Amino acid sequence: ETGVTQTPRHLVMGMTNKKSLKCEQHLGHNAMYWYKQSAKKPLELMFVYSLEERVENNSVPSRFSPECPNSSHLFLHLHTLQPEDSALYLCASSQATQNSPLHFGNGTRLTVT
Amino acid sequence: GQNIDQPTEMTATEGAIVQINCTYQTSGFNGLFWYQQHAGEAPTFLSYNVLDGLEEKGRFSSFLSRSKGYSYLLLKELQMKDSASYLCAALEGLNAGNNRKLIWGLGTSLGVNP
Repeated sequence: ETGVTQTPRHLVMGMTNKKSLKCEQHLGHNAMYWYKQSAKKPLELMFVYSLEERVENNSVPSRFSPECPNSSHLFLHLHTLQPEDSALYLCASSQATQNSPLHFGNGTRLTVT
Repeated sequence: GQNIDQPTEMTATEGAIVQINCTYQTSGFNGLFWYQQHAGEAPTFLSYNVLDGLEEKGRFSSFLSRSKGYSYLLLKELQMKDSASYLCAALEGLNAGNNRKLIWGLGTSLGVNP
């Protein structure tokens, strides 16, 4: 048990579908993150919410939309995805201090057909 | 530019010692993290080094040389359960906001054989 819970663990969706990934942390952290992990690529930071401030990675397509209703919950809304978006999507949390380690969830394995 | 290099794959024998190297180039530097990731699971934090030297934590130790842009993770008394991917990540200097930037390596896949 990691303290960071992601659902669903696996998701298969068509390119015209809309779905949402959910993340919840029980560690009392004040920063939450979405990462994309693809084969043979380094972890790619998508979005950060830190001390209630949202930071975007400008290279993330608009078909990915984050939502952070409070410091414990994070969502990633998906719509009109492409097959190249198939990857493992990892949620993480930490304290909003520079050397605080990230605590990751087990990820959602997304397949876009 | 920003770059992290670590070997793609390594193999070792149960009970042995293995050293996984990581070299980095970043714009400013505020420390280096090591994470372990078993297949299908979350990356888990192993160590953080910001000062030069060796930090020991049980069977795992991590070393940093800031002047050389170099770190290594040392695993002693290898066990089968140590078969995993080991990720190196360098923390860049803070920007004007409160946002830190981690530069990640591709990970080293370690296989431990009986």
